Amino acid sequence: GAGVSQSPSNKVTEKGKDVELRCDPISGHTALYWYRQSLGQGLEFLIYFQGNSAPDKSGLPSDRFSAERTGGSVSTLTIQRTQQEDSAVYLCASSPTSGVPPYFGPGTRLTVL
Amino acid sequence: GDSVTQMEGPVTLSEEAFLTINCTYTATGYPSLFWYVQYPGEGLQLLLKATKADDKGSNKGFEATYRKETTSFHLEKGSVQVSDSAVYFCAYTNTGFQKLVFGTGTRLLVSP
Repeated sequence: GAGVSQSPSNKVTEKGKDVELRCDPISGHTALYWYRQSLGQGLEFLIYFQGNSAPDKSGLPSDRFSAERTGGSVSTLTIQRTQQEDSAVYLCASSPTSGVPPYFGPGTRLTVL
Repeated sequence: GDSVTQMEGPVTLSEEAFLTINCTYTATGYPSLFWYVQYPGEGLQLLLKATKADDKGSNKGFEATYRKETTSFHLEKGSVQVSDSAVYFCAYTNTGFQKLVFGTGTRLLVSP
């Protein structure tokens, strides 16, 4: 399919471990977003990439969180030294430009034990 | 701070019933307002939007009117179908799509 894909779909890890979440945006989309949804919470903005511009990292909750986007395409969200409060569904989205509603992927459900 | 409040679910209806899902927001300025829908096993999809006061967004039989005086954007549908069963999210932005502010979602269950 031509939609946004994310992997893995589910990830269970132990507290203190590092995890990497992958997002494959729709081909040609220059804008890429990461959000997360914690239990009982709305979606929370994390980080935004637009083309070759510096990413907007203002939503990252701590310095344990980082993200990169290689070659303007695939993005990886890394969480170091995971904590139980990091358990959530992490959603990636992409759009042709920042002025167009984004297409969301199905998400990665992260569980930190 | 800025926030979106929507009614808690689940909302359980019979097919062909009338649907209302309430949404109110707290934001400065003149935000754009959205409803997103997430069907089981799928990603969030934009359902409808309104970008200025008194605008009505509509799609797939769903409607919502931007009411600035009551800071509301309630979602309505006159006759729901089983296929409408999903989670519905109200959202707004003042700064473009990179910083959408979402509500917690309302699950709709429609029975035949």
